Amino acid sequence: SQTIHQWPATLVQPVGSPLSLECTVEGTSNPNLYWYRQAAGRGLQLLFYSVGIGQISSEVPQNLSASRPQDRQFILSSKKLLLSDSGFYLCAWADWDRGHLEAFFGQGTRLTVV
Amino acid sequence: AQSVTQLDSQVPVFEEAPVELRCNYSSSVSVYLFWYVQYPNQGLQLLLKYLSGSTLVKGINGFEAEFNKSQTSFHLRKPSVHISDTAEYFCAVSRFQGGKLIFGQGTELSVKP
Repeated sequence: SQTIHQWPATLVQPVGSPLSLECTVEGTSNPNLYWYRQAAGRGLQLLFYSVGIGQISSEVPQNLSASRPQDRQFILSSKKLLLSDSGFYLCAWADWDRGHLEAFFGQGTRLTVV
Repeated sequence: AQSVTQLDSQVPVFEEAPVELRCNYSSSVSVYLFWYVQYPNQGLQLLLKYLSGSTLVKGINGFEAEFNKSQTSFHLRKPSVHISDTAEYFCAVSRFQGGKLIFGQGTELSVKP
């Protein structure tokens, strides 16, 4: 069966520090991968999605970047965090071509920038 | 491009009452539609999805939704809610055969005794 791991669960970082959030998926290959941010009262904002290794689509211009160095690994990064980067970050995967016609979510990372 | 609008940010309701959470979408192509539920500080769990076929879709926990192509809507309903249904609910759309998955702003359902 497929599983998704996202860590850390919570993170407190100072303004100007770097960020690296990691997400890995097990039990499938070449999934679509997604990073979302959830800020209070603003729903789920799609940040990046990837349909394959090295293929990243950015949805919102911002202080963040994403990379997919391996098939089932998706990393969200920042060189210098801003206060506005605080929020709940969710990773998800889907496999539209193989009948997994829904997105499966990790448990999320609560990021507080201080 | 696809977009989703959830018409109510908060819906308070008494226990055992019926509830409807409204969702409208916009797309120039055929779509898949989803409803997810999120409990505090957790990820999202799928309630139900519409891919094709019957426009009335039944999901988990007694929820159902109806796809209305002419009104571009996918409203979520439950005939009798429980305290445990208190959560945030998200409507989402992706184009047919997948790809980008776009969510609405969410509706906070609060069930009161």
